Amino acid sequence: QQQVKQSPQSLIVQKGGISIINCAYENTAFDYFPWYQQFPGKGPALLIAIRPDVSEKKEGRFTISFNKSAKQFSLHIMDSQPGDSATYFCAASMLFKNTDKLIFGTGTRLQVFP
Amino acid sequence: NAGVTQTPKFRVLKTGQSMTLLCAQDMNHEYMYWYRQDPGMGLRLIHYSVGEGTTAKGEVPDGYNVSRLKKQNFLLGLESAAPSQTSVYFCASTKIGYNEKLFFGSGTQLSVL
Repeated sequence: QQQVKQSPQSLIVQKGGISIINCAYENTAFDYFPWYQQFPGKGPALLIAIRPDVSEKKEGRFTISFNKSAKQFSLHIMDSQPGDSATYFCAASMLFKNTDKLIFGTGTRLQVFP
Repeated sequence: NAGVTQTPKFRVLKTGQSMTLLCAQDMNHEYMYWYRQDPGMGLRLIHYSVGEGTTAKGEVPDGYNVSRLKKQNFLLGLESAAPSQTSVYFCASTKIGYNEKLFFGSGTQLSVL
């Protein structure tokens, strides 16, 4: 029940295209849904996040869409660029033993070709 | 501002050997975490600490020990390394009230032969 399922495992997109990564969760106690971006040889870094009281959040070319009833959320990268090539992790956070517990998805490797 | 620094960056161990991974943060963060990253499994929490002198188990704590003697440092120990502990280890930190935004180090690639 604490899993976060992420798909696809890998994604190849042409420059200028739209990249879409999907995540699903079961536990309704999750109350915060961040996305992390990881470049090769680096640690993950927070990219964008959403709370379940809104259905969409946009920051530049990155948009999170959130469907509370379906318990699904997705990351959309508009006008994808080669510099967006990285591994993306969705995550979900819930309060556990007086601290927030972050559960990560399994990751999506995105490759954007010129 | 260095952020979160992990040492060493790479290490090769033989089965049964011990080692300690060091994580240091200069952001005065209260919370610190150790994760391992394996292909197809994402990031899994090993141990975490909510303050100096306190530690707690995460999802996959077996075979690891931790200590947080100073606020800025979080040590991860492997007493008797096993091939199943071959992984990339990441340390992260955050401040109270911002648990969802973790600041990660650049990782330690560990191979156990």
